[in-house]
Amino acid sequence: QKEVEQNSGPLSVPEGAIASLNCTYSDRVSQSFFWYRQYSGKSPELIMSIYSNGDKEDGRFTAQLNKASQYVSLLIRDSQPSDSATYLCAVKRGNFNKFYFGSGTKLNVKP
Amino acid sequence: DTAVSQTPKYLVTQMGNDKSIKCEQNLGHDTMYWYKQDSKKFLKIMFSYNNKELIINETVPNRFSPKSPDKAHLNLHINSLELGDSAVYFCASSLGRGGNSPLHFGNGTRLTVT
Repeated sequence: QKEVEQNSGPLSVPEGAIASLNCTYSDRVSQSFFWYRQYSGKSPELIMSIYSNGDKEDGRFTAQLNKASQYVSLLIRDSQPSDSATYLCAVKRGNFNKFYFGSGTKLNVKP
Repeated sequence: DTAVSQTPKYLVTQMGNDKSIKCEQNLGHDTMYWYKQDSKKFLKIMFSYNNKELIINETVPNRFSPKSPDKAHLNLHINSLELGDSAVYFCASSLGRGGNSPLHFGNGTRLTVT
């Protein structure tokens, strides 16, 4: 079983719609959860972090965490073509700052 | 600019050669990492140093040798390069051992072994 699992996609949504990206993780002691966006040929860029159960909103982005079910999701409202990228879910656990990544979900936002 | 910077950006070399990638961060972080990203975009941790101490050493061939002269620098030396080493190598840094500090990535080094 992989540490972090994501649907590889591609996920296609029309411009203006809500894009929903999901991630599950295997280890219950995981502490911190992150979403990174990676454009083709570029490095991963942090867009959201969440540490407690519930929702966290930042602009058009909302991260949701459910530790009991071991899943974390990212909602992108009013999706724009510039949101087209691969979204990587990352989970941190332990005292050694070990980050585990999912294989990413490719999002296509169609104009 | 505050950032994680790595050099070179591109590295093309032949099998059997030895090469190095350098990384520096001016974010004041105390933990640095090397990640390998394959063609399917999967990011896999290779090594991590905290204040010059090696704290994570994943199952990586011993042809790969990291070196951290101080907490702001982490280099990666690769001996006897193989075709399968072709990938993008990312340096990253974070703050603190434990806690919620995220990873900050460098721009990556695309290694092509021919």
